Amino acid sequence: AQSVTQPDIHITVSEGASLELRCNYSYGATPYLFWYVQSPGQGLQLLLKYFSGDTLVQGIKGFEAEFKRSQSSFNLRKPSVHWSDAAEYFCAASSGNTPLVFGKGTRLSVIA
Amino acid sequence: DVKVTQSSRYLVKRTGEKVFLECVQDMDHENMFWYRQDPGLGLRLIYFSYDVKMKEKGDIPEGYSVSREKKERFSLILESASTNQTSMYLCASTIPGHGAGELFFGEGSRLTVL
Repeated sequence: AQSVTQPDIHITVSEGASLELRCNYSYGATPYLFWYVQSPGQGLQLLLKYFSGDTLVQGIKGFEAEFKRSQSSFNLRKPSVHWSDAAEYFCAASSGNTPLVFGKGTRLSVIA
Repeated sequence: DVKVTQSSRYLVKRTGEKVFLECVQDMDHENMFWYRQDPGLGLRLIYFSYDVKMKEKGDIPEGYSVSREKKERFSLILESASTNQTSMYLCASTIPGHGAGELFFGEGSRLTVL
């Protein structure tokens, strides 16, 4: 079955530190891959997406993600975290026009 | 500015009540979705629709139904609410194809069933 796994339920980082959130997928072929963010009390917002081509994709708010086919991974990174980045992050995948399958999310806390 | 509007942000209902959750999008999107979000479980797909009058079951359709009479409106119905349906419900829409993953979400409807 198609699935998306986010191994980390909760991560805490210091403001200004770098961040990496992990995501692994299990699909027959390379799916389309996405990262969404949900700030407290808000709906989900698309951060970035990967369809094909360059394996390093840039998104909004200074985030980037790297697709690694050999590891079936699509990890999200940010060089320097801001307090406003505290939120829940969801990795998701889709094969063409099928509905998105979401991971269970990683909650990010940012400390001073 | 694109917008997906869910009619109620917070609802409290009693067990056995019929519940309607309304979702309207103003982007002329063909595809619409209902997810429920629970802590530790992420987002799980309840139902989706790729066209008016069309509906497909998602991963957890039991206890739910949907209606799509107009392109812009997708309603989720709980025929007889139960306490295990207490959750956050998220509506989303998108266009077909590659854009199918670029979901636009509403702000959610938090339902409590007593």
